[in-house]
Parts: sequence; structure tokens; C-alpha cells
Amino acid sequence: DAMVIQNPRYQVTQFGKPVTLSCSQTLNHNVMYWYQQKSSQAPKLLFHYYDKDFNNEADTPDNFQSRRPNTSFCFLDIRSPGLGDAAMYLCATSRRTSGMMGETQYFGPGTRLLVL
Amino acid sequence: AQTVTQSQPEMSVQEAETVTLSCTYDTSESDYYLFWYKQPPSRQMILVIRQEAYKQQNATENRFSVNFQKAAKSFSLKISDSQLGDAAMYFCAYLNNAGNMLTFGGGTRLMVKP
Repeated sequence: DAMVIQNPRYQVTQFGKPVTLSCSQTLNHNVMYWYQQKSSQAPKLLFHYYDKDFNNEADTPDNFQSRRPNTSFCFLDIRSPGLGDAAMYLCATSRRTSGMMGETQYFGPGTRLLVL
Repeated sequence: AQTVTQSQPEMSVQEAETVTLSCTYDTSESDYYLFWYKQPPSRQMILVIRQEAYKQQNATENRFSVNFQKAAKSFSLKISDSQLGDAAMYFCAYLNNAGNMLTFGGGTRLMVKP
């Protein structure tokens, strides 16, 4: 089945120690998104890639970076995690084509990050 | 910027009954897209239903239907014949016309009583 895969499902890191979360997709979608979701809150968009074009949200901290080496994979790098970065990180994908708007986003299961 | 408001933090429904979850939004756009997503505990978010703002007809997916009132900027979700598996957090979401910003409401936690 085509899907969005996130590994690991749970990640524990230490305060200030860089961590990378990964997302892969078999949907062949050209847009990939990273959201941060804190406990009992709505997901908040951090950034997204439209093909190779990186789009950062204005209020996303510099501590968060992303890489997309190819269509299928996208990584979220947190350079120096703080206690406030503990959250669920959701990856989503969509297919965007010229002239078609309103594409549905499909979500992965998320990676829950714990910062000690 | 668009905002999405879900005024019911929690709702409960008896199994087999009907429940309606509320959602309102604020926008200056005339074309946009609305979604309801379901997020079960410790499981991934899945699409329940979507609505294009230019369509007057309310979207329906099996037991799930919406009441889309464009002038009132209201987009409620009705779940008929509620099942135990419907228990989850439900998020209303707005996608702007450019298709590059999905804004979520705060969510409504739905509990289904057997």
C-alpha cells in the first residue's frame, strides 16, 4: 500500500544533542511537509518542500532545518533540541500540479520526540 | 491570516447515535478548501472528508457528512450511527486558495460510549 512512513516512531535525545527525524513516502508526491504537534494542540506547519524548493514558515525557529535528497525522502534536523521541542513531529505529503489546487495532505504516523 | 476555531474541546456520543462537531473559520478568500481529519490515540491522522468552497453541495462519505455554510463561514461534521472506532481527536482544517497553507483548528476530542 502507498503510504507515508516515519522512523523512528519514538526518539529520545539529550538537551542540545542534534537529532534527525526521517520521513519517506511511496505515494510519489511532489510536496512534503513537516508539522510540529505539541500535546493536545493542533499541528503547526514548520516548513515544506515543493519538489526541491524549500519553503520555511516565518515563525519556524532557526534550530529546525530540513533536507530532501530525493522525491521519496525528507529529513527534519533539530540542531540543538531544547526541552520545549519535545513534541510529535508529523510528516505529510501531497501532489501539487499546475492548475490543480486544494490537494489533500496525507500524514505519516508521526515521531514522538522526548528531550531529556 | 486564516483562523480556524473548534469551540467544543470534548464531545461524547452514545454508540449508534448521531453527533455534530462544530467548526468556524475566518478568511477573506472566496476560494478555498476545508477538511476534517481524524487522529485516533497514538495513531496517524487520516482524512475524513473534504469540501471545496466553490461547491454548494455538502460533501458526504458514508456515515460522515458536512454542513457547509459559506456565508456563515461554518463547516460542521455530522457523524451518523456512531461506532466505537470513531473515538478520536477530530481536527477541522482550512487550505488556502494557493494550496500552500493548511491551518488547523484546536481539535475536538470525541468519546463514544458503548
